[in-house]
Order: sequence, then structure tokens, then C-alpha cells
Amino acid sequence: QSVLTQAPSASGTPGQRVTISCSGSNSNIGSNYVHWYQQLPGTAPKLLIYRNNQRPSGVPDRFSGSKSGTSASLAISGLRSEDEADYYCAAWDDSLSTVVFGGGTKLTVL
Amino acid sequence: QVQLQESGPGLVKPSETLSLTCTVSGGSISSNYWTWIRQPPGKGLEWIGHIYYSGSANYNPSLTSRVTISVDTSKNQFSLKVTSVTAADTAVYYCATGPSGSYSHYWGQGTLVTVSS
Repeated sequence: QSVLTQAPSASGTPGQRVTISCSGSNSNIGSNYVHWYQQLPGTAPKLLIYRNNQRPSGVPDRFSGSKSGTSASLAISGLRSEDEADYYCAAWDDSLSTVVFGGGTKLTVL
Repeated sequence: QVQLQESGPGLVKPSETLSLTCTVSGGSISSNYWTWIRQPPGKGLEWIGHIYYSGSANYNPSLTSRVTISVDTSKNQFSLKVTSVTAADTAVYYCATGPSGSYSHYWGQGTLVTVSS
């Protein structure tokens, strides 16, 4: 099982706002930045959000990130069919001295 | 823009050593963190480790006894070695890089390594 906890699946309809959550502990999310990756089917992961809420160049502002305590969230507004993908959260873990990932959330656009 | 390309054998026998190389183009390896991440078929991401361009490395504690990551600045490449492989090491292996050790802006396309006799 993964150190960071994500729901295995989420869904929404086009235009809707969807939130994906990531839960950790004091040694990872509680004391370090959270990052989010999007993995489209058959492709490499792509950095979507870094340092809790920063978007790399080219990532639409429909994607936003937040963190509170030992949990973090990725919000996608104006959901589009091309957003159907797996989403992973990640953070450095001070106790393990390693990057830890969530198990991933598969987002389905209905 | 930095581009990364993994290369190496797609099939490795059990108990042998898995060796992969990541070639960096569009940027110098003499900066940033250089990372290896793997993904077993149908499963999630697992961080293997990273190396700073200066040579300082961190490894996943679950793999540290079997993993070595190194940098060759003369070739603008970095490499991964995993010893004593088993079927559990079968995965798509990605190389990646970023300014921080905890996230990666740029990723290679990934290469599937199968451990089988």
C-alpha cells in the first residue's frame, strides 16, 4: 500500500468541477510540499502542480492545488474529456528520506 | 526544453543486473536532480532514487541495497543499476529531472524492462 492515500477512482461530467484528495502524515504532507502528476493512458506522467499550488508553464488554470495540514487536494474545473487520466500526488517524506507517491486516482469523464 | 531518453535491455534474467541509461538533450546535466521512477504494469508509481549533478544520491530504502544511480557529465547521461533482479522488478522505468529532489518537470517516455528467464 502507498504511503499517501488517494481514492482509486473519481468521475464527473463535462463542465463539472472535480476534486481529488491525497492524505498523508506529518512526515510527508504535513512538513513538505505536495506535487501532482497527470498520466494519460499509455504515456509518461506529466507534472501538473508543484509546491502545493504552482502550475508549470502550459498547464491550464482549470487545474489548481491546495494543502491543509496533512492533506492536499487537486481541483479540476470545467472538466473536459481529455482530462480522463490517472492522477498521482507526491511528497518528500522526512522519515523515509524518499519521495512517496499516492496510489493514484483514475478520473473518468462520463 | 530538456528532453530525456531511456535506453537499455528490455529483457533481463532473474538474479542478473538491470542497467539503464538516460541521455539528456537540450540542457546540461551539470545542474538539477536526476531521478529514476518505475511503474509495474497496471500499478502506480514508485520512486527509485535521485542523484544531484554533484554526485550526491538518495535511494528508496526498500531498494537501497540493490540500486546505484550515477552521472556521467562528459556524456550528458545518468544511469541506473539494479542488482539481483526478480520478477517484481518488471516495470516501465522512467528517467526524470527537476530543480528539486521531490518533483520532476521533465520525463522520458519510459522503457519497459521485463525480468524473465
